[in-house]
Amino acid sequence: SYELTQPPSVSVSPGQTARITCSGDALPKRYAYWYQQRSGQAPVVVIYEDSKRPSGIPERFSGSSSGTMATLTISGAQVEDEADYYCYSTDSSGNHGVFGGGTKLTVL
Amino acid sequence: EVQLVESGGGLVQPGGSLRLSCAASGFTFSSYWMSWVRQAPGKGLEWVASINQDGSEKYYVDSVKGRFTISRANAKNSLFLQMNSLRAEDTAVYYCARRVGSSWQWYFDLWGRGTLVTVSS
Repeated sequence: SYELTQPPSVSVSPGQTARITCSGDALPKRYAYWYQQRSGQAPVVVIYEDSKRPSGIPERFSGSSSGTMATLTISGAQVEDEADYYCYSTDSSGNHGVFGGGTKLTVL
Repeated sequence: EVQLVESGGGLVQPGGSLRLSCAASGFTFSSYWMSWVRQAPGKGLEWVASINQDGSEKYYVDSVKGRFTISRANAKNSLFLQMNSLRAEDTAVYYCARRVGSSWQWYFDLWGRGTLVTVSS
């Protein structure tokens, strides 16, 4: 089955740039999406179709994708950005959704 | 208000059954694919199943195929997940989610708050 691989944790100081990567063999042909999940809450999409930002998401969130790797970048991370982040995509059939294992972002 | 509200979770013994429901409001439910996504305690997100607008297409993650059935009632703006032969590893918060995008590249733009299913004796 298809897998997306993320680092388990990333840590930055407030104001620094946080980068979270996601690797997957199908990413050259599939969009990557990124979800933020704060403790005890439902996930919220912060980036869709590799690099698009939904309305209401701060500009410090950006996404990119090249080859088999997608990257979520948080420029000038804030304490309130501390959360779990999941990359997501669809498999080669287009019929199944796949999440990465998640990355815990610590901002302190 | 655009929202999804899940219900039906609870404690069930291994081998038992449970039916989850999701009530949609604030949007044209019958126009969207819908999905269930789960999250085991302390673990990551896992897509479980999706259903198309009229219920004629359904897809499942391999681990629940043959045990879970996704369905919908458009007249009642409701999504369901019938879970049979439950196992301890099915213990999770189950989220109802609205699916958007193309037929082969899609994601979830609206989520409910989730309902907890615990499988234990």
